[in-house]
Amino acid sequence: AQRVTQPEKLLSVFKGAPVELKCNYSYSGSPELFWYVQYSRQRLQLLLRHISRESIKGFTADLNKGETSFHLKKPFAQEEDSAMYYCALSGMTTDSWGKLQFGAGTQVVVTP
Amino acid sequence: NAGVTQTPKFQVLKTGQSMTLQCAQDMNHEYMSWYRQDPGMGLRLIHYSVGAGITDQGEVPNGYNVSRSTTEDFPLRLLSAAPSQTSVYFCASNPRGPNTGELFFGEGSRLTVL
Repeated sequence: AQRVTQPEKLLSVFKGAPVELKCNYSYSGSPELFWYVQYSRQRLQLLLRHISRESIKGFTADLNKGETSFHLKKPFAQEEDSAMYYCALSGMTTDSWGKLQFGAGTQVVVTP
Repeated sequence: NAGVTQTPKFQVLKTGQSMTLQCAQDMNHEYMSWYRQDPGMGLRLIHYSVGAGITDQGEVPNGYNVSRSTTEDFPLRLLSAAPSQTSVYFCASNPRGPNTGELFFGEGSRLTVL
């Protein structure tokens, strides 16, 4: 069975400090991993996906298949990074398109 | 281009009442889905559709019905509301094809069942 685990419910960091959100997954095939973000009073939106291997808003995430992890990192947190972050997983088969398994989410609070 | 539109944004029901959450998208996406968001549990898939006339169950389908008569609309029906269905509901859509895991979400509908 597929599962996404985000061990931290709340992460409080100071502005300018590094931030790392942990995500571990279990999946029997080859997964596609995502990070979604929900800012206050805004829609849930895609932050980044492992396939694109790009940096968005200073965030990066590397898929580690050996450790089955997809941790999200940013070297210098900003106040505007305060939000709820969800790690999500999808299979790569046809019947997996649009069906995401989400983690429980991590609330990030960046204080000045 | 409004994207994904959900109505209503807020609703209070009594146990046993029925209601429909509306969802419409104007991006011509083939795939649409409904998720519920609960504290400590993230988002869980209720039902999804891969095209007009085709629907299937997700992780938590009990107590919910869906239909997809058009590409644009994907309503979620609660036939007999229960307090356990108190949640925030999100509709999402995405285009067909591999590596298209970017879901476009609506603003959410907050439902309280008394």
